Amino acid sequence: AQKVTQAQTEISVVEKEDVTLDCVYETRDTTYYLFWYKQPPSGELVFLIRRNSFDEQNEISGRYSWNFQKSTSSFNFTITASQVVDSAVYFCALSGLNTGGFKTIFGAGTRLFVKA
Amino acid sequence: NAGVTQTPKFQVLKTGQSMTLQCAQDMNHEYMSWYRQDPGMGLRLIHYSVGAGITDQGEVPNGYNVSRSTTEDFPLRLLSAAPSQTSVYFCASSYRTEHYNEQFFGPGTRLTVL
Repeated sequence: AQKVTQAQTEISVVEKEDVTLDCVYETRDTTYYLFWYKQPPSGELVFLIRRNSFDEQNEISGRYSWNFQKSTSSFNFTITASQVVDSAVYFCALSGLNTGGFKTIFGAGTRLFVKA
Repeated sequence: NAGVTQTPKFQVLKTGQSMTLQCAQDMNHEYMSWYRQDPGMGLRLIHYSVGAGITDQGEVPNGYNVSRSTTEDFPLRLLSAAPSQTSVYFCASSYRTEHYNEQFFGPGTRLTVL
């Protein structure tokens, strides 16, 4: 069975601090995909990144970076120099190739508060 | 492109009533899914479809029916609403390549069952 664990329910930081959101996954699939989505207070869900299981390169996009480690089944998300606009709920998600088709399992989410 | 649209945005039902949540996408995406979002539980997959005429159950399918007669539309039916179905419902679509790609989400429907 697939599972995504985001152990941090809420995180509160002061603007300009760096913050890391943890994501640990479980899957028996040999090929799988990991995602991060952002849900700002307005409620929509916004795609941030996709990572394939066969590509362990870390990625940086502006203030955002992602650290994928298959050895620890983790796909952590770091925001550098956080800003108030980063306040949102962030979801980690997992899709498996061998689980019978297109199924995406989401973690419970981490609510990030960035205070000015 | 309108993307993924959902109607209605808000709905209040009484226990036992039925209704259909509408979802449409204009991106010619093959994959479509329905999720419900409850506090502290993330998004849970209700049903999904990999193409017109093909649907399957997700994590929490009980109490919900779906059909996919066209590529564009993927309605979610509640046959007899229960208070436990009070939630925010999101429809999503994704395009097919050799990889699993990101999903595009609709704005959500907030459903309250009294």
